[in-house]
This record gives sequence, C-alpha cells and structure tokens, in this order.
Amino acid sequence: EDKVVQSPLSLVVHEGDTVTLNCSYEVTNFRSLLWYKQEKKAPTFLFMLTSSGIEKKSGRLSSILDKKELFSILNITATQTGDSAVYLCAVETTNDYKLSFGAGTTVTVRA
Amino acid sequence: NAGVTQTPKFQVLKTGQSMTLQCAQDMNHEYMSWYRQDPGMGLRLIHYSVGAGITDQGEVPNGYNVSRSTTEDFPLRLLSAAPSQTSVYFCASSYRQKLFFGSGTQLSVL
Repeated sequence: EDKVVQSPLSLVVHEGDTVTLNCSYEVTNFRSLLWYKQEKKAPTFLFMLTSSGIEKKSGRLSSILDKKELFSILNITATQTGDSAVYLCAVETTNDYKLSFGAGTTVTVRA
Repeated sequence: NAGVTQTPKFQVLKTGQSMTLQCAQDMNHEYMSWYRQDPGMGLRLIHYSVGAGITDQGEVPNGYNVSRSTTEDFPLRLLSAAPSQTSVYFCASSYRQKLFFGSGTQLSVL
C-alpha cells in the first residue's frame, strides 16, 4: 500500500521566520511528487518534482526531492501571514496516475 | 475562466437519503476525480475517470457511484447516505499530474 507521511502535523511561526516541511513516501513505481497549498477551500498547485536534487523555486517557496532517501522538503523563507495554510504533499505512481496524499501540515504565521 | 465548478457548496442529508454532487470542467481535461477530505487524513480518492465512458475505483469507493457520459461532467452519487460519509468532497480535473480542484462540498449526514 502506498504511504505518504508529512511532518510536522502543524507549526506556528512568526512573520519573517523560515519554515521547512517534510514529506516522506513509500510507493511502488514512483513517478512524481507534488506540493499543494490549501487555504480556505480548494488546494492549489505549487510544485511538481520528478528528479532528485533539482530545486524548484517560486518566489519565497522552494522544494527539492531526494529519490534515494524517499523524501521531499518544502521551504518557505521570510514567511508572511498569507502563507498560513495547509500544505499537502502527494505522490504519483506510474501504475495508474492516481495521487496518494499525505495528511498535510498546517502552518500558522503570526504577525 | 470557470475551471472546475462543483455544486452544491453545502448539503445536509438524513441517513438513507440519496443525492448527487455535480462537477463540471471547461478545460477539456480527460482525467477527472473525486476526493474526500477528513480531519487528519488528507485527501482520499473515491473514484476517477480517464475519459468519457471510463471510470474506476479509488481508495474509498464504497457507497458512491460515478458516471462519465461527457468529457465535461463527472457527477458523484451517494446511494444511501450514512453518517460516515460526512466529509468535505472535492472534484478535480487534471492536465497530466497537475490537479485543478473545485471549491468543495461540505456534506453532513445526520
């Protein structure tokens, strides 16, 4: 059974802090790992990672994948209150293009 | 600029009632899916479709039916609602691996 585990489950930081979120996985036939941000309702796409060691960046957010150790991290630098959200990690396998999601990490950024 | 449209946004059912959650997308995506989201459990796949006329079960399909008669529409039917189906439901369509989600339906079964 495919398994995606995110840590921590939640954290509270102050504006300007740096946040590191972890996603580890155990799946057969890994194809890609995706990060989503969920604020009030629908998750929105952040990154898709397929190759080890190649950092994806978008503004203050960045993510990297380690296929040997089976994990990914999502970094948020200089956090703002608008970064408060649930961050979801999902893994796609080559079997059937379905995504398995982790439980998410709730990030709260205090002013 | 509609993307994925999901209705209704909220619904309260009594145990045993049936209902259909509607989902439509205007992006011409072949792949569509339904997820439920429960506290502490992330998103779990209920059913998915890789194109019109083709559907398959996901991780938690029991108690739900789907059909895909057109590329645009992918309704989810609850046949006989149970309290365990109280959840937030998301429909999604995807271009390759990138999912585009609807705004969700908060369903309570009493």
